[in-house]
Amino acid sequence: GQNIDQPTEMTATEGAIVQINCTYQTSGFNGLFWYQQHAGEAPTFLSYNVLDGLEEKGRFSSFLSRSKGYSYLLLKELQMKDSASYLCAAIKGNDYKLSFGAGTTVTVRA
Amino acid sequence: DVKVTQSSRYLVKRTGEKVFLECVQDMDHENMFWYRQDPGLGLRLIYFSYDVKMKEKGDIPEGYSVSREKKERFSLILESASTNQTSMYLCASRLPGSNQPQHFGDGTRLSIL
Repeated sequence: GQNIDQPTEMTATEGAIVQINCTYQTSGFNGLFWYQQHAGEAPTFLSYNVLDGLEEKGRFSSFLSRSKGYSYLLLKELQMKDSASYLCAAIKGNDYKLSFGAGTTVTVRA
Repeated sequence: DVKVTQSSRYLVKRTGEKVFLECVQDMDHENMFWYRQDPGLGLRLIYFSYDVKMKEKGDIPEGYSVSREKKERFSLILESASTNQTSMYLCASRLPGSNQPQHFGDGTRLSIL
C-alpha cells in the first residue's frame, strides 16, 4: 500500500479555516485525490493533484509537494455543512488502485 | 451526473449464506471497484474490474468473488458469509486513466448474524 496518514479528527468554528494534512509514500506516486464523505453517504470527489502546487476550487484548495510526500486540503469560510469525513487517497504509477487514508472527521461548531 | 446504484442500503444475512451485492453504473465506465469501509481502517479494495469479464484481486479478496458479465454491472459475492464480513460495502466506477476520479454508490451496510 501507500501508507496514507492523516489526522483522525479536527474541530473548527463556523467561518474559520481548517487544514487537513496527508502524508504518503513517494515511491511510484502518480497523483493524489481528496474526497468528502458525509455520514451515511457516498464519498464525493473534491480534488486531484499530480503536480506540485496549490489547486483552488472556491472555498476548498488542495496542495501537493511530491518531494515531501505531503498534501493538504484547506477548507475556508467553514460552514456547518462542511462537517464530514475527508479522505486522502493516492494512486501509484498506472495502477487502477487507489490507496485510501482512514479519513479525517471534521466537526464545524457554531 | 454519474449515477452508481447499489441494490440495497441495508442487508441482514446469516452466517454461511451466499450473499450477492449488486452495483450498476449508467455512464459507460470501463473500470469498476468494490471496497469495504470499516471504522479506523478507511476504504479497502476487495476486487476491481478494468473491463467486461475482467477482474483483479484487490488488497483483501479472501472470502469474496466478483462477476462482471455486462459493462454496467459489477457484482460482489460472499461465498459463505461470516461475521467478520459485517461492514459497509461501497461500489465505485470511473473512466480509465490514473487521473480519473472514482464515483461511488451510496453503500450497502451488511450485517452478518
